[in-house]
Amino acid sequence: EAGVAQSPRYKIIEKRQSVAFWCNPISGHATLYWYQQILGQGPKLLIQFQNNGVVDDSQLPKDRFSAERLKGVDSTLKIQPAKLEDSAVYLCASRAFAARSSEQFFGPGTRLTVL
Amino acid sequence: TQLLEQSPQFLSIQEGENLTVYCNSSSVFSSLQWYRQEPGEGPVLLVTVVTGGEVKKLKRLTFQFGDARKDSSLHITAAQPGDTGLYLCAGGVPPGTYKYIFGTGTRLKVLA
Repeated sequence: EAGVAQSPRYKIIEKRQSVAFWCNPISGHATLYWYQQILGQGPKLLIQFQNNGVVDDSQLPKDRFSAERLKGVDSTLKIQPAKLEDSAVYLCASRAFAARSSEQFFGPGTRLTVL
Repeated sequence: TQLLEQSPQFLSIQEGENLTVYCNSSSVFSSLQWYRQEPGEGPVLLVTVVTGGEVKKLKRLTFQFGDARKDSSLHITAAQPGDTGLYLCAGGVPPGTYKYIFGTGTRLKVLA
């Protein structure tokens, strides 16, 4: 079974530029999460999708971040314009079904550096 | 705002030693997960505990969920260099939205 795929793996941009990240979850997984992980810290949830609907985006900085999940499969996360403090690893995760014991599977992440 | 504090933040020990990592909160969680993350990779799930007081063992790792479901601990017996990594706890936010709050992380280094 293929895992969660993310691209690109690394991205370096200058502040005020735009950037987009892509995630392909495990086939059949209904729930998809985007997390932001600043170096040395735990991941922070940005947005949670159930199929193609948003369940929680309370911590997404909506003035600059946007995300969509087309047809309930792939997802993109965009930052426009980027700030220095956006430098972090952006992790995508998916899970098969809604149950307390079901596992989140994480992708390798995209490391963003904003100069 | 729900927070999960982990302690210690950093831990460097010799191979063969025992250690305990703590995950504490003032909030109640529906479940508690422990992950290990290695550089350049996403976190990998080690265990999920869902019942207050629950204890689970995974080889040399023992996980416990507090009776009140507000805290958890991870104990490693006879640590090995392969245990090196970032350990993260994550609490499931009730009532069943399947949102997870991650802890602050414990970076463990086991020296050969």
